Amino acid sequence: DGGITQSPKYLFRKEGQNVTLSCEQNLNHDAMYWYRQDPGQGLRLIYYSQIVNDFQKGDIAEGYSVSREKKESFPLTVTSAQKNPTAFYLCASSPGQRYGYTFGSGTRLTIV
Amino acid sequence: RKEVEQDPGPFNVPEGATVAFNCTYSNSASQSFFWYRQDCRKEPKLLMSVYSSGNEDGRFTAQLNRASQYISLLIRDSKLSDSATYLCVVNPTGTASKLTFGTGTRLQVTL
Repeated sequence: DGGITQSPKYLFRKEGQNVTLSCEQNLNHDAMYWYRQDPGQGLRLIYYSQIVNDFQKGDIAEGYSVSREKKESFPLTVTSAQKNPTAFYLCASSPGQRYGYTFGSGTRLTIV
Repeated sequence: RKEVEQDPGPFNVPEGATVAFNCTYSNSASQSFFWYRQDCRKEPKLLMSVYSSGNEDGRFTAQLNRASQYISLLIRDSKLSDSATYLCVVNPTGTASKLTFGTGTRLQVTL
């Protein structure tokens, strides 16, 4: 079955460490996205990519980095520069402008 | 003004009731509109797209009013399983597939 897979589901890291969240899709979608959701808040866009080897900053890109070397993969690195990284991270993909997103099941990152 | 605004609720309704949610958006050039459902601590899932002519999927009806810049979702004959947060989602630019999410309206259906 086609879908989008995020791993791990839960991640704990010490303050000051970089951490990379995985996102893989086999839907053949061109566009991929990373969102962050904090308790009781809406989704905020971190980075997005509409094509391989190209990506753009979203609304809250500071402290994060991404790469898009393959169509299927869009990993997100949370760096030590991100001041408050504890959150629920959601990866999504889309076939194009008129379509909604398909989300992965998310990664809960906790900085201890 | 937020790009997408929703009443956070919660809406507490008995099983079998009809409930309606509204959502307003600020960019009149917005092209695509959706309703998503998000269960507690889960990812959002697409409930339905919203078309200018309105659309219906079983007990769910979505409407778009471009003149007033609002979107509505009507749920008839509410079930306990409808309890969730409903997110209003808009493509504000129409030029890139980048969606803006409302903060959601929480629905609790009770016996």
